[in-house]
Amino acid sequence: RKEVEQDPGPFNVPEGATVAFNCTYSNSASQSFFWYRQDCRKEPKLLMSVYSSGNEDGRFTAQLNRASQYISLLIRDSKLSDSATYLCVSENTGTASKLTFGTGTRLQVTL
Amino acid sequence: GAVVSQHPSWVICKSGTSVKIECRSLDFQATTMFWYRQFPKQSLMLMATSNEGSKATYEQGVEKDKFLINHASLTLSTLTVTSAHPEDSSFYICSAEGRANYEQYFGPGTRLTVT
Repeated sequence: RKEVEQDPGPFNVPEGATVAFNCTYSNSASQSFFWYRQDCRKEPKLLMSVYSSGNEDGRFTAQLNRASQYISLLIRDSKLSDSATYLCVSENTGTASKLTFGTGTRLQVTL
Repeated sequence: GAVVSQHPSWVICKSGTSVKIECRSLDFQATTMFWYRQFPKQSLMLMATSNEGSKATYEQGVEKDKFLINHASLTLSTLTVTSAHPEDSSFYICSAEGRANYEQYFGPGTRLTVT
């Protein structure tokens, strides 16, 4: 079983739609979680951190449920520019932080 | 701030040759840098953790004699793919950990094609 699992998609949604991505993680020792965005043939870029209390940044809302080992990302009012692959990431901190990436969920926003 | 560069951005080499990839933190010092590899439609996989002035820590299944890592200064780490084979063709991405907040800042990646 992969340590971080995501539905690969693709999710095809019209502009203005609300879309939600889910992610599960298997390592209960993971301390921190993030959503990254990766455009085709580019490096991943940090979108937002994920907290148990929920985290909102404009049109983006992330939520962590530690009991269920489940992470979500909600995008409201989708824009064409939101088209990308969204990576769910867990972090284990020890002598150095170690990020574990999911395979990503592909989002395509259309007119 | 927090800019990480990689060089080259893409490289094509013949099977059996070696390729060196550089990762630089341009405006901050990074005690720790990370090297990842990403095959098409797959996730980024951590290959090794590079610490300035000491030996790199390799993840399970990554051959340390094939993927040589040198982290000679607080702003530069290099990854050398030795005796490259077509199956080494991949997208190699480095990241540098900020000393203030421990966030990882990613380089733009190097696309390696071995023919």
